Amino acid sequence: QSVLTQPPSVSGAPGQRVTISCTGSSSNIGAGYDVHWYQQLPGTAPKLLIFSNTNRPSGVPDRLSGSKSATSASLAITGLQAEDEADYYCQSYDSSLSGCVFGTGTKVTVL
Amino acid sequence: QVQLVESGAEVKEPGTSVKLSCKASGYTLSNHAIHWVRQAPGQSLEWMGWISGGVGDTKYSQKLQGRITITRDTSANMAYMELNSLRSEDTALYFCARGRGVAVTGPYLDYWGHGTLVTVSS
Repeated sequence: QSVLTQPPSVSGAPGQRVTISCTGSSSNIGAGYDVHWYQQLPGTAPKLLIFSNTNRPSGVPDRLSGSKSATSASLAITGLQAEDEADYYCQSYDSSLSGCVFGTGTKVTVL
Repeated sequence: QVQLVESGAEVKEPGTSVKLSCKASGYTLSNHAIHWVRQAPGQSLEWMGWISGGVGDTKYSQKLQGRITITRDTSANMAYMELNSLRSEDTALYFCARGRGVAVTGPYLDYWGHGTLVTVSS
Protein backbone atom coordinates (compact mmCIF):
# COMPACT_ATOMS: atom_id res chain seq x y z
CA GLN A 1 0.00 0.00 0.00
CA SER A 2 3.08 2.26 0.05
CA VAL A 3 2.79 5.05 -2.50
CA LEU A 4 6.54 5.63 -2.67
CA THR A 5 8.43 2.88 -4.53
CA GLN A 6 11.95 1.78 -3.64
CA PRO A 7 14.06 -1.13 -4.93
CA PRO A 8 13.76 -4.10 -2.54
CA SER A 9 17.52 -4.45 -2.20
CA VAL A 10 20.86 -2.99 -3.19
CA SER A 11 24.32 -4.30 -2.42
CA GLY A 12 27.93 -3.27 -2.72
CA ALA A 13 31.41 -4.11 -1.56
CA PRO A 14 33.06 -2.16 1.24
CA GLY A 15 34.20 1.22 -0.03
CA GLN A 16 31.82 1.29 -2.96
CA ARG A 17 28.98 3.72 -3.66
CA VAL A 18 25.34 2.65 -3.69
CA THR A 19 22.20 4.62 -4.42
CA ILE A 20 18.62 4.02 -3.39
CA SER A 21 15.81 5.51 -5.44
CA CYS A 22 12.40 6.63 -4.20
CA THR A 23 9.75 7.13 -6.86
CA GLY A 24 6.55 9.01 -6.11
CA SER A 25 3.91 10.91 -8.03
CA SER A 26 2.37 14.31 -8.64
CA SER A 27 0.51 14.23 -5.32
CA ASN A 28 3.58 13.79 -3.15
CA ILE A 29 7.18 14.35 -4.31
CA GLY A 30 6.04 15.92 -7.58
CA ALA A 31 3.79 18.33 -5.69
CA GLY A 32 6.84 19.85 -4.03
CA TYR A 33 6.76 18.04 -0.70
CA ASP A 34 10.13 17.29 0.82
CA VAL A 35 11.62 13.80 0.99
CA HIS A 36 13.21 12.43 4.15
CA TRP A 37 15.25 9.28 4.70
CA TYR A 38 15.48 6.87 7.64
CA GLN A 39 17.77 3.97 8.51
CA GLN A 40 16.43 1.02 10.47
CA LEU A 41 18.85 -1.50 11.95
CA PRO A 42 17.40 -4.92 12.81
CA GLY A 43 15.19 -4.80 15.88
CA THR A 44 15.50 -1.07 16.39
CA ALA A 45 13.50 2.09 15.71
CA PRO A 46 14.08 4.09 12.52
CA LYS A 47 16.70 6.82 12.69
CA LEU A 48 16.50 10.06 10.71
CA LEU A 49 19.33 10.24 8.15
CA ILE A 50 18.34 13.01 5.74
CA PHE A 51 15.62 15.63 6.15
CA SER A 52 14.19 18.09 3.65
CA ASN A 53 15.77 16.34 0.65
CA THR A 54 19.44 17.10 1.31
CA ASN A 55 20.06 17.95 4.97
CA ARG A 56 21.88 15.73 7.46
CA PRO A 57 21.10 15.86 11.18
CA SER A 58 24.04 16.31 13.50
CA GLY A 59 26.05 13.11 13.77
CA VAL A 60 25.15 11.66 10.37
CA PRO A 61 28.34 11.27 8.31
CA ASP A 62 28.74 13.16 5.04
CA ARG A 63 29.14 9.80 3.28
CA LEU A 64 25.37 9.93 3.10
CA SER A 65 23.68 12.41 0.81
CA GLY A 66 20.20 13.00 -0.58
CA SER A 67 18.83 14.52 -3.74
CA LYS A 68 15.41 15.19 -5.25
CA SER A 69 14.10 15.86 -8.72
CA ALA A 70 10.64 15.89 -10.32
CA THR A 71 8.74 12.94 -8.82
CA SER A 72 11.68 11.04 -7.35
CA ALA A 73 14.49 11.23 -4.84
CA SER A 74 17.69 9.34 -4.12
CA LEU A 75 19.89 8.47 -1.17
CA ALA A 76 23.57 7.87 -1.90
CA ILE A 77 25.99 6.10 0.41
CA THR A 78 29.65 6.43 -0.50
CA GLY A 79 32.51 4.54 1.10
CA LEU A 80 30.16 1.70 2.04
CA GLN A 81 30.84 0.21 5.47
CA ALA A 82 29.62 -2.91 7.27
CA GLU A 83 27.66 -0.69 9.67
CA ASP A 84 25.57 0.59 6.74
CA GLU A 85 23.86 -2.80 6.42
CA ALA A 86 20.25 -1.97 7.29
CA ASP A 87 16.83 -1.16 5.88
CA TYR A 88 16.30 2.33 4.44
CA TYR A 89 12.98 4.13 3.99
CA CYS A 90 12.02 7.36 2.24
CA GLN A 91 9.10 9.45 3.48
CA SER A 92 7.10 12.38 2.16
CA TYR A 93 3.63 13.93 2.39
CA ASP A 94 0.78 13.13 0.03
CA SER A 95 -1.90 15.71 -0.69
CA SER A 96 -4.41 13.18 -2.04
CA LEU A 97 -4.13 11.04 1.08
CA SER A 98 -3.76 14.09 3.35
CA GLY A 99 -1.04 12.39 5.31
CA CYS A 100 2.52 11.19 5.45
CA VAL A 101 3.64 8.31 3.28
CA PHE A 102 6.61 5.97 3.48
CA GLY A 103 8.51 4.09 0.81
CA THR A 104 8.46 0.33 0.38
CA GLY A 105 11.90 0.07 1.95
CA THR A 106 15.31 -1.04 0.66
CA LYS A 107 17.64 -3.53 2.28
CA VAL A 108 21.30 -2.61 1.87
CA THR A 109 23.75 -5.51 1.97
CA VAL A 110 27.49 -5.05 2.28
CA LEU A 111 29.17 -7.88 0.40
CA GLN B 1 18.35 14.79 25.57
CA VAL B 2 15.11 14.11 23.72
CA GLN B 3 13.57 10.74 24.51
CA LEU B 4 10.28 9.07 23.71
CA VAL B 5 9.27 6.01 25.72
CA GLU B 6 6.25 3.95 24.80
CA SER B 7 4.22 1.72 27.10
CA GLY B 8 4.74 -2.04 27.23
CA ALA B 9 3.72 -4.83 24.90
CA GLU B 10 0.04 -5.74 24.59
CA VAL B 11 -1.84 -8.89 23.60
CA LYS B 12 -5.42 -8.24 22.56
CA GLU B 13 -8.35 -10.26 21.24
CA PRO B 14 -9.97 -9.32 17.93
CA GLY B 15 -12.68 -6.70 18.30
CA THR B 16 -11.20 -5.10 21.39
CA SER B 17 -9.26 -1.85 21.78
CA VAL B 18 -5.71 -0.92 22.71
CA LYS B 19 -4.43 2.36 24.09
CA LEU B 20 -0.68 3.04 23.96
CA SER B 21 1.16 5.83 25.70
CA CYS B 22 4.26 7.78 24.73
CA LYS B 23 6.20 9.69 27.40
CA ALA B 24 8.29 12.58 26.10
CA SER B 25 11.29 13.93 27.96
CA GLY B 26 13.98 16.47 27.16
CA TYR B 27 11.54 18.88 25.54
CA THR B 28 8.01 20.24 25.96
CA LEU B 29 5.48 17.99 24.25
CA SER B 30 3.17 20.84 23.22
CA ASN B 31 5.95 22.50 21.20
CA HIS B 32 6.01 19.77 18.55
CA ALA B 33 3.71 17.28 16.88
CA ILE B 34 3.68 13.63 17.84
CA HIS B 35 3.17 11.06 15.08
CA TRP B 36 2.28 7.38 15.38
CA VAL B 37 3.78 4.91 12.90
CA ARG B 38 3.41 1.15 12.83
CA GLN B 39 5.30 -1.71 11.20
CA ALA B 40 3.74 -5.12 10.66
CA PRO B 41 6.16 -8.08 10.77
CA GLY B 42 8.47 -7.99 7.75
CA GLN B 43 6.65 -4.98 6.28
CA SER B 44 7.36 -1.33 5.61
CA LEU B 45 6.46 1.59 7.85
CA GLU B 46 2.86 2.82 7.89
CA TRP B 47 1.95 6.32 9.03
CA MET B 48 -1.11 6.31 11.30
CA GLY B 49 -1.70 9.91 12.32
CA TRP B 50 -0.48 12.88 14.29
CA ILE B 51 -1.43 15.36 16.97
CA SER B 52 -0.01 18.80 16.32
CA GLY B 53 1.96 20.99 18.64
CA GLY B 54 0.22 24.10 19.90
CA VAL B 55 -3.56 23.56 19.97
CA GLY B 56 -3.30 19.80 19.41
CA ASP B 57 -5.18 19.31 16.16
CA THR B 58 -5.29 15.72 14.93
CA LYS B 59 -5.01 14.16 11.49
CA TYR B 60 -5.40 10.45 10.77
CA SER B 61 -4.63 8.18 7.87
CA GLN B 62 -7.63 7.55 5.66
CA LYS B 63 -7.20 3.82 6.20
CA LEU B 64 -7.56 4.09 9.98
CA GLN B 65 -10.01 7.02 10.16
CA GLY B 66 -12.86 6.06 12.45
CA ARG B 67 -10.85 3.50 14.42
CA ILE B 68 -7.98 5.65 15.73
CA THR B 69 -7.84 8.44 18.29
CA ILE B 70 -4.68 10.33 19.24
CA THR B 71 -4.71 12.49 22.37
CA ARG B 72 -2.21 14.10 24.71
CA ASP B 73 -1.80 15.29 28.28
CA THR B 74 0.51 18.28 28.14
CA SER B 75 0.79 18.48 31.93
CA ALA B 76 2.31 14.99 31.93
CA ASN B 77 4.21 15.38 28.64
CA MET B 78 2.40 12.27 27.39
CA ALA B 79 0.71 11.33 24.12
CA TYR B 80 -1.71 8.46 23.55
CA MET B 81 -2.94 6.39 20.62
CA GLU B 82 -6.11 4.31 20.88
CA LEU B 83 -7.05 1.85 18.15
CA ASN B 84 -10.48 0.21 18.21
CA SER B 85 -12.06 -2.85 16.62
CA LEU B 86 -8.72 -4.62 16.49
CA ARG B 87 -8.15 -7.30 13.86
CA SER B 88 -5.24 -9.64 13.21
CA GLU B 89 -3.85 -7.26 10.59
CA ASP B 90 -3.23 -4.72 13.36
CA THR B 91 -0.50 -6.93 14.82
CA ALA B 92 2.57 -4.72 14.53
CA LEU B 93 5.29 -2.74 16.25
CA TYR B 94 3.90 0.70 17.08
CA PHE B 95 6.19 3.74 17.28
CA CYS B 96 5.63 7.29 18.45
CA ALA B 97 7.87 9.93 16.91
CA ARG B 98 8.41 13.67 17.21
CA GLY B 99 7.39 15.67 14.17
CA ARG B 100 9.36 18.58 12.73
CA GLY B 101 9.12 20.69 9.58
CA VAL B 102 6.46 22.99 8.19
CA ALA B 103 3.08 22.29 6.65
CA VAL B 104 3.92 23.58 3.19
CA THR B 105 6.78 21.10 2.69
CA GLY B 106 5.55 18.28 4.92
CA PRO B 107 6.82 16.96 8.24
CA TYR B 108 9.67 14.64 9.13
CA LEU B 109 10.28 12.60 12.26
CA ASP B 110 13.46 13.40 14.13
CA TYR B 111 13.17 11.30 17.30
CA TRP B 112 11.49 7.93 17.66
CA GLY B 113 10.46 5.77 20.57
CA HIS B 114 11.68 2.18 20.85
CA GLY B 115 8.37 0.75 19.71
CA THR B 116 5.66 -1.32 21.37
CA LEU B 117 4.54 -4.70 20.08
CA VAL B 118 0.80 -5.18 19.82
CA THR B 119 -0.37 -8.70 19.07
CA VAL B 120 -3.97 -9.31 18.08
CA SER B 121 -4.93 -12.93 18.47
CA SER B 122 -7.78 -15.05 19.75
